[in-house]
Formats: sequence, structure tokens, C-alpha cells
Amino acid sequence: AAGVIQSPRHLIKEKRETATLKCYPIPRHDTVYWYQQGPGQDPQFLISFYEKMQSDKGSIPDRFSAQQFSDYHSELNMSSLELGDSALYFCASSWGSQETQYFGPGTRLLVL
Amino acid sequence: DQQVKQNSPSLSVQEGRISILNCDYTNSMFDYFLWYKKYPAEGPTFLISISSIKDKNEDGRFTVFLNKSAKHLSLHIVPSQPGDSAVYFCAANRNTGKLIFGQGTTLQVKP
Repeated sequence: AAGVIQSPRHLIKEKRETATLKCYPIPRHDTVYWYQQGPGQDPQFLISFYEKMQSDKGSIPDRFSAQQFSDYHSELNMSSLELGDSALYFCASSWGSQETQYFGPGTRLLVL
Repeated sequence: DQQVKQNSPSLSVQEGRISILNCDYTNSMFDYFLWYKKYPAEGPTFLISISSIKDKNEDGRFTVFLNKSAKHLSLHIVPSQPGDSAVYFCAANRNTGKLIFGQGTTLQVKP
């Protein structure tokens, strides 16, 4: 069965640079979620989209923005990167906001 | 404020025995609970879930129990297998959709 696809899988950036993470949900899933997992921490919710509209917002810095496109894929844009942004970024998708979320493999971002 | 807590960072069991992973929550508004399994460098893999209107859900070797009055849920794995060794996350959900995760419990199943 098709799973959530994330790209790139690994990304190395310098401080103050920008990064764009992409997420392709499971086909026919209309809801996308972004989570950040720091070293030794549990995943923290960043933001979610349902039918291309932002549906909820968590502890996402103002330097980050995200959107969901007409084909339901989503992009997380991160600007003015800081060392503390180094983390695993997971995307999850579901059919509706109250259904089980299925996670992608994650993007490991390293900010030097 | 950790709304979902997994107080045991690690658990070690013998192959073939039962593994019991515990999770406590503080927010009585949570209405859906999930368990995920995670290997290093991979995304969380969904295992099993339970709605707040139920007290038990079973899927093969995995059973989740929910005690709403105690705000406690547990995951039972029987029999445990070496391939079950991973980090297990408990997560809770309100109708907004976002998941609140516990800190995770590392399970080691010894052959």
C-alpha cells in the first residue's frame, strides 16, 4: 500500500538559510499534519491542513510557514534557520481530521 | 505541561512473555488514543487505537486497554517477539486532530 512520502530525507543547511520540506500524503487522504521531533524528545505538533485550509496550529515558529496544494501535497517552508531547528520533521496524513494518522519516514534537518 | 505521560523510559522482557506498556493522560477531553511503534531513523508506525467509548481493543498480538476514570491506558503485546524491540509512543487526540505524544518507552525483547 502507498505510504506518506517525504522529501528530502536528509538536509544540511547553514544558519540563516532557508529550507523547504515536502510531503505527499497517502492517496485520497485530505488532511496533512507536520510534527517536529528534537533529539530525545517526543514529536511536537506544528501545523495541519484539511482540504487545503489550515485547520490547526501548534508550536510553530513565525519563521516557518506551510501550505497544502490542490493535489493535497504540503510544503513546510523554514526561513532564517537556527541551530535549534535541527530535528526530525514528520509529516502525517489522514482521511478527515478525526481518523488515524499515518506518518512518513521523516526529513532529518541539520543546521550548522 | 506534559498532557500524555509514559513514565517508564524503558522495558525489557523475555521473548514469548507479555510486554505491558503504560500511558497516563491528564486531559479528560481526549477522545481517541493511539499507539505507535518507532524504529530509529523511521517514522512512527501505527499499531492500534481505541476510542474513549470503549475500554478494550484487540488486534492480533496487540491489545489496548483504556481506563477513563484513572486516565490510564496500556498496551499489551503477547507473545513478545525480538522484532517488537523499538520505541513505543502513546498519543492522544481531541476532535481537532493533532496528536499529543508521550515521551516514549523503549522496549527490548530478549531472545
